[in-house]
Amino acid sequence: QQQVKQSPQSLIVQKGGISIINCAYENTAFDYFPWYQQFPGKGPALLIAIRPDVSEKKEGRFTISFNKSAKQFSLHIMDSQPGDSATYFCAASFPNFGNEKLTFGTGTRLTIIP
Amino acid sequence: DAGVIQSPRHEVTEMGQEVTLRCKPISGHNSLFWYRQTMMRGLELLIYFNNNVPIDDSGMPEDRFSAKMPNASFSTLKIQPSEPRDSAVYFCASRFGLNTQYFGPGTRLTVL
Repeated sequence: QQQVKQSPQSLIVQKGGISIINCAYENTAFDYFPWYQQFPGKGPALLIAIRPDVSEKKEGRFTISFNKSAKQFSLHIMDSQPGDSATYFCAASFPNFGNEKLTFGTGTRLTIIP
Repeated sequence: DAGVIQSPRHEVTEMGQEVTLRCKPISGHNSLFWYRQTMMRGLELLIYFNNNVPIDDSGMPEDRFSAKMPNASFSTLKIQPSEPRDSAVYFCASRFGLNTQYFGPGTRLTVL
């Protein structure tokens, strides 16, 4: 069962533009929503994360927007740079021990062109 | 800190052979996760351990796969016998408490 749906599958953005990746989840019990960034040949690395008690979280050029009623969250990359070219995964998990595994979206391959 | 360490980084084997992937989590982390990544299925959780005890192995595809964590600093994922459809990148990740999962660099497995 696909519990986290991610779109688009791939995205091309011009340098300096805004990159937007969207995710939708089904289970309202999810309590933690991280975004991971993966470069070729590397493991995923945590980029930014949010909990549902806030609607937005910003860290530098990266912002998560969270819409609890719509069960959607998105990653915005401002002033996108070629170094941001990577695959991005959204994920969701439950808050309690024994049930805290991450459910990942299918990934978005982002390419920033000069 | 050296981060999560996985070995080998690349493994090429023939169908039917036994494959053992190894993981050393970050010191002090008490949860360990094994994932498989393929183009078709994305990132799949295979199994995870809390305090060396397997908690959820529902993602293990079949009996050919087994995982152990004999102590807090070492885990193995074994495939016996291996099949071509097992070809993938296998990641190990570790975590302390309910905090961030830190992924290792992965093992790229090719079964011929």
